[in-house]
Parts: sequence; C-alpha cells; structure tokens
Amino acid sequence: KNQVEQSPQSLIILEGKNCTLQCNYTVSPFSNLRWYKQDTGRGPVSLTIMTFSENTKSNGRYTATLDADTKQSSLHITASQLSDSASYICVVSAPTGNTPLVFGKGTRLSVIA
Amino acid sequence: KAGVTQTPRYLIKTRGQQVTLSCSPISGHRSVSWYQQTPGQGLQFLFEYFSETQRNKGNFPGRFSGRQFSNSRSEMNVSTLELGDSALYLCASSPSTSGSFGPYEQYFGPGTRLTVT
Repeated sequence: KNQVEQSPQSLIILEGKNCTLQCNYTVSPFSNLRWYKQDTGRGPVSLTIMTFSENTKSNGRYTATLDADTKQSSLHITASQLSDSASYICVVSAPTGNTPLVFGKGTRLSVIA
Repeated sequence: KAGVTQTPRYLIKTRGQQVTLSCSPISGHRSVSWYQQTPGQGLQFLFEYFSETQRNKGNFPGRFSGRQFSNSRSEMNVSTLELGDSALYLCASSPSTSGSFGPYEQYFGPGTRLTVT
C-alpha cells in the first residue's frame, strides 16, 4: 500500500535553531516528492519538488534531501524564524495507481522566542 | 498575476443537502486539482481536471463530483452531505501541460471551510 510517514508529528524549537523533519515513503513507482508549508488557515505553499534523480534541493533556508534507494526524504530548516511556525507536509507522486498523490499527515513546527 | 481563488470561503450546510464549491485557477493554468483536508486524515486527493477532462480521481464516493469549464474554472459538488464531509476543501492549479503530476508547481487557493451540521 502506498504510504507516506512523517516524523516527528510535532516539534518545538527556539528561534535561531536548526531542525530536520523526516519523510519515509513506500510509494512505488515514484515520480517526484514535494514538501509544502501550510500556515494555519491557509492553503499549502510549495517549498521544493524533487525527482528521483535529485539528491538535494534548496529554497532559501529550506534544504530538502532525497534518498530514492531507502525511500527517505528530509527537510532541513536553518536558522529558524518565528514565521517558520507551520505544518510541513511531504507529498509523493505516483504516476500509476488509484491515488496519484500520497500525502503525509505533516509535522507541526512551532518556533518560539 | 492573481492567485487561485475559491468561493465561498466559509459554508454551513445541513446533513442531506448538497453543496457546490468554485475555484478559479491562475490565468493560463489548465490543470485544477481538488483536495479534502481534515484533522484526522490530513490532505487527501479528490480529483484533477485538465482541459475540461477528469484525468485522475482519488478514493472518494460518487457523492463527490466535479467539472471544469472551458475557461479552466472548476466546480466540485458534494451531494447528500454527511457530518464527515466537514472539512477544508482546497483547490490547486498547475501549469502542467499534460494533466499528470509531473514536477510542476501546484498553487493552492485559501480553501473553502465546509461545516455540515
């Protein structure tokens, strides 16, 4: 069964600190993996999209890594800011099957002063 | 460029009624997808439309349906509402030229918050 598991479910860090969010997936075949940031009450905003041939992709203070062999991805946030407080959702695209997009439940990040 | 717009933003309906939600994609985008988001299940894919054709569909009952017009605007309809349909319904548009979930950016609207009582 195609699944995306994210950890931790929630995380609290101090402003200025770094953190890493994890995403493990069992989706096969695999097309691409996306990370989204969703502020409370708003729609998700894309951070990165990675195909199976990409290992690392950065977007400002956000760096995503992908290991297609172990089916793991991580999102590293550097020098966190209060505005980073949000849910981070990992999404894997499967070109075949009933569900072309498989979503993780997200990691709720709280950055405190 | 204007972003994805969804109307209405909030809606309260009674069990058994039906509801229609609207989505206007970013100008030039022909791919529109719909999602349901609940605290328990997270985000779930409903369906995707490309050039007025449904290209992909998630695992939702037939009470959930949609359509896309020639100007790429899309509507989704839920008939015979159930309490469990209470959710945030999100629409996203994409510059995809094939209607598949390739490495194209998806731009989400603010969502419609549906409450079923």
